[in-house]
Amino acid sequence: NAGVTQTPKFQVLKTGQSMTLQCAQDMNHNSMYWYRQDPGMGLRLIYYSASEGTTDKGEVPNGYNVSRLNKREFSLRLESAAPSQTSVYFCASVRNTEAFFGQGTRLTVV
Amino acid sequence: QKEVEQDPGPLSVPEGAIVSLNCTYSNSAFQYFMWYRQYSRKGPELLMYTYSSGNKEDGRFTAQVDKSSKYISLFIRDSQPSDSATYLCAMNNKLSFGAGTTVTVRA
Repeated sequence: NAGVTQTPKFQVLKTGQSMTLQCAQDMNHNSMYWYRQDPGMGLRLIYYSASEGTTDKGEVPNGYNVSRLNKREFSLRLESAAPSQTSVYFCASVRNTEAFFGQGTRLTVV
Repeated sequence: QKEVEQDPGPLSVPEGAIVSLNCTYSNSAFQYFMWYRQYSRKGPELLMYTYSSGNKEDGRFTAQVDKSSKYISLFIRDSQPSDSATYLCAMNNKLSFGAGTTVTVRA
C-alpha cells in the first residue's frame, strides 16, 4: 500500500521552463490537495480538489494550474517557472479531517 | 493576517522536559483542530485531532482547545530526543496550517 506517491522527488528548473508535478493516491479518497512549504511559513494551500472533476484555488494559486485527471491522480503544473516558486511541494490525500501526505518534491528554480 | 498563527520557534528543551506549543486562529467556523508532526525531509503526519473545547490525551501528548479564546495547545510530557520534529497545527477550513514550530529535545 503506497499511500500518496509524488514524482519527481527533486527537480531543478531554469526560469521560464515549465513542468508538471505528479501525485497519485491509492486510498480511494475523494479530496486531494497541493501545498507548498517554505521556511517559517508552514504549509500554504495552492489548489485543492474536493472530488474528481472539481478544482478550487487555495491561498497561493498564482503561477500554477492543476488537473484532477481521475480519482487517483492530481497534478500541479508550473507554466513558466520563477525563482519565487523554489519550494518543497506536498500533495495530500484527505479523508474527513485527516490528510495523508506524500514525501514531497524539492523544486529549485534558477 | 493569516487565519492560523503559530510561533515558528525554534524551541530547544532538555530530555524529560514538558514541551508546550500553541496556535491562535481567527475563523470562528473552525470545528476540527489537528496537530501534525513532520520529521526532517518527510511529509507531515497526523498526531492528534479534536473537535471540541477541552483536553484530549494520547500517551505523552495532550491537545487542548479553547474555542472562546480561539487558542489551541499541544503538550508533550517527558519529552524524548525522538520527539525532535516540526509540529504544525491545522484547522478544517480547507486544512489551514500554522507556520510550524521546530522542536529539538536535547539528550
